[in-house]
Amino acid sequence: DTGVSQDPRHKITKRGQNVTFRCDPISEHNRLYWYRQTLGQGPEFLTYFQNEAQLEKSRLLSDRFSAERPKGSFSTLEIQRTEQGDSAMYLCASSLRERVGMNTEAFFGQGTRLTVV
Amino acid sequence: RKEVEQDPGPFNVPEGATVAFNCTYSNSASQSFFWYRQDCRKEPKLLMSVYSSGNEDGRFTAQLNRASQYISLLIRDSKLSDSATYLCVVPRNTGFQKLVFGTGTRLLVSP
Repeated sequence: DTGVSQDPRHKITKRGQNVTFRCDPISEHNRLYWYRQTLGQGPEFLTYFQNEAQLEKSRLLSDRFSAERPKGSFSTLEIQRTEQGDSAMYLCASSLRERVGMNTEAFFGQGTRLTVV
Repeated sequence: RKEVEQDPGPFNVPEGATVAFNCTYSNSASQSFFWYRQDCRKEPKLLMSVYSSGNEDGRFTAQLNRASQYISLLIRDSKLSDSATYLCVVPRNTGFQKLVFGTGTRLLVSP
């Protein structure tokens, strides 16, 4: 399977614990995105990497959230001291840098569903 | 005004019906757009790209009206398998391509 893969698919954690999610993008894609989605809402942007550089972080991403993409390959998203409000689907997507005048589509992984109890 | 707005629905239609969704956007600089389909508890998957005035793919037609800043998706001859949430996506080119999603429109096709 050469698509975007995320691990784990599901995570249940107690409030206050730290969790880390992994995303492996499509191999030739240099752009990687993290989104969060709650029930009845569209995906909300969290952060973006071009190669290994994290170029933008949403205001949604509090100090408890950190993301890395060492060597421009896989990425990790860590949430420290989880809260019940962190319960959501965390989606990773990757894309190629756009061609001039056109935007390129992003391909999503199956997501990691986090439940904080 | 939200950056991308969609009617959340649900749109309940019988099999064989034609249904249309609209999406309005506020960023007039956006050049191209996407419709994604999302099944319950699954990831979004690209349905169509819209680069100019419109695009057609089988039973699906997407149209773009830049003057009024809206995108539409038309589904003809609806199938039960079309039941899903349809997400309108508008790239915001703030130095990089940030995809801004609408809340999605839910479609339920019944026998």
